[in-house]
Amino acid sequence: EPEVTQTPSHQVTQMGQEVILRCVPISNHLYFYWYRQILGQKVEFLVSFYNNEISEKSEIFDDQFSVERPDGSNFTLKIRSTKLEDSAMYFCAGTSGEGYNEQFFGPGTRLTVL
Amino acid sequence: KQEVTQIPAALSVPEGENLVLNCSFTDSAIYNLQWFRQDPGKGLTSLLLIQSSQREQTSGRLNASLDKSSGRSTLYIAASQPGDSATYLCAVRPGYMLTFGGGTRLMVKP
Repeated sequence: EPEVTQTPSHQVTQMGQEVILRCVPISNHLYFYWYRQILGQKVEFLVSFYNNEISEKSEIFDDQFSVERPDGSNFTLKIRSTKLEDSAMYFCAGTSGEGYNEQFFGPGTRLTVL
Repeated sequence: KQEVTQIPAALSVPEGENLVLNCSFTDSAIYNLQWFRQDPGKGLTSLLLIQSSQREQTSGRLNASLDKSSGRSTLYIAASQPGDSATYLCAVRPGYMLTFGGGTRLMVKP
């Protein structure tokens, strides 16, 4: 059964550094999402992406964040200048349809900012 | 703003017991509701999806119901097993995004 994959599984970085989190969605998915979960807190929506454009974003997704689908298979989340409060588990998700279909999640990348 | 609440936050039951997890949401304008399982330090595994027009969905020992007008969903787990121990999350979909509850941490004791 196809799965969403994410790399790396764990990323440690220094405050102020740029990080890129990578995701390979399921091949027939059209809509892509990033969520994050700070330890002990709820899973929070960051951004949704369709047809090479951001379709919705949350207040968390400020100018320090960006997403792209550089080669038609990978889906990346970039944080330009990491802060301590960016430490969290970041999940990529995808769905094959708009609004009505299941979202399937990857295993996550644990980001630790020191 | 949509708020999703799950009660109880934690639950411990003996193996074999049937149990119900509760989820409530404040805005009934949703496309669907999805239940997930999350093991410690792991990703989210989708268990069931209920469309807004549906009342319930079943998968094996799991049955989820949805009462959109009252903003409630329940996840029923029959004949619980130690392998069911995990955190169960519900999430509603008002738009592109999912809005999650805080989860119910379930422990099934052998």
